[in-house]
Amino acid sequence: SQELEQSPQSLIVQEGKNLTINCTSSKTLYGLYWYKQKYGEGLIFLMMLQKGGEEKSHEKITAKLDEKKQQSSLHITASQPSHAGIYLCGADIAGNTGKLIFGQGTTLQVKP
Amino acid sequence: GAGVSQTPSNKVTEKGKYVELRCDPISGHTALYWYRQSLGQGPEFLIYFQGTGAADDSGLPNDRFFAVRPEGSVSTLKIQRTERGDSAVYLCASSRGQGSGTQYFGPGTRLLVL
Repeated sequence: SQELEQSPQSLIVQEGKNLTINCTSSKTLYGLYWYKQKYGEGLIFLMMLQKGGEEKSHEKITAKLDEKKQQSSLHITASQPSHAGIYLCGADIAGNTGKLIFGQGTTLQVKP
Repeated sequence: GAGVSQTPSNKVTEKGKYVELRCDPISGHTALYWYRQSLGQGPEFLIYFQGTGAADDSGLPNDRFFAVRPEGSVSTLKIQRTERGDSAVYLCASSRGQGSGTQYFGPGTRLLVL
């Protein structure tokens, strides 16, 4: 079983719609990272969350880490075709080791 | 400044051959990580270096895999006697220090073992 579960696995939305991707762990997350990956490319860093209850935003993307630090959500407002790609959550579950585990990814398609 | 670079971008080899994959981290980053990503999956940790030493190599699948970072900058991942199951994208990342700080990833090397 995955230590980090992402849902949904894939998502197709109409341009302009809002969407949410979830990342859940059975263990405490010491650092939670959101990355975006386009096919054939590396991972692009989006945001990092460390404190329970923390919320960060960049442009139309907002990420939250719940109080218990076991779940994070990534919310995109007014989606655009440029948001399409694979979203990955990665986490340090061992405590500042630098060793990240990743979810299986959520593939997002945005229809114009 | 330049990001993490990896060479080659693609590598096709035959089963049983030896391959080397290179990673050039962001200048000044002391920590360097290797991950492997199979199709449709998230990256899996292989090994990370703090400076020249391998701080954690627990993700290396077997003794055919080996990595070095002799001068604390560029790293090479070496795979001996390649098998078809080694086919994947090999990603390298670097960060300012071990255990903290965001990991910035390179574009990856796509390895195909025929």
